[in-house]
Amino acid sequence: GNSVTQMEGPVTLSEEAFLTINCTYTATGYPSLFWYVQYPGEGLQLLLKATKADDKGSNKGFEATYRKETTSFHLEKGSVQVSDSAVYFCALSDRAGNQFYFGTGTSLTVIP
Amino acid sequence: DAGITQSPRHKVTETGTPVTLRCHQTENHRYMYWYRQDPGHGLRLIHYSYGVKDTDKGEVSDGYSVSRSKTEDFLLTLESATSSQTSVYFCAAGRGTDTQYFGPGTRLTVL
Repeated sequence: GNSVTQMEGPVTLSEEAFLTINCTYTATGYPSLFWYVQYPGEGLQLLLKATKADDKGSNKGFEATYRKETTSFHLEKGSVQVSDSAVYFCALSDRAGNQFYFGTGTSLTVIP
Repeated sequence: DAGITQSPRHKVTETGTPVTLRCHQTENHRYMYWYRQDPGHGLRLIHYSYGVKDTDKGEVSDGYSVSRSKTEDFLLTLESATSSQTSVYFCAAGRGTDTQYFGPGTRLTVL
């Protein structure tokens, strides 16, 4: 079946620190992979996506590379800001079933 | 938010009462979804729709029903609410396996 596993939180970092949030997946076929971000009291927003192996998604300084060999899609940012404090969700889409599968979310707090 | 609204945004109800949540989209997306978000579980799919009057069950569909009579509206009904259905409910819409766009959520409390 399809599933997403992401690193447990919460994660607390100082401003300008390097961020990595790990995400691995199990899927049948060739899924698309996504990172969504949820700010307090809001819905999820797309942060970045990758649709095939070796693709790199990027947005707002965040990056993630679709690694088929390790079934991973780790989120990275070189220098986090206080405004990056949010919950981050890794997800995959099932091309066959038109469904999305989400990880449990990783809470990030960035302190000045 | 890609033009997705949810109503109500907050609701408190009592066990055993029926509850209907509404999702409205303005972007003519074919697919619409209802999720619930609970601590430790992330987002779990309740039901989804792949067209007017076409719906299917998700991972946690027991106790919920849906209807989609127009492209823009997707209703989630709890026929007889229970305390285990206290949650935050999110609607999403999209064009299939591409990006999903989420509404702002409805916080439901069942006493």
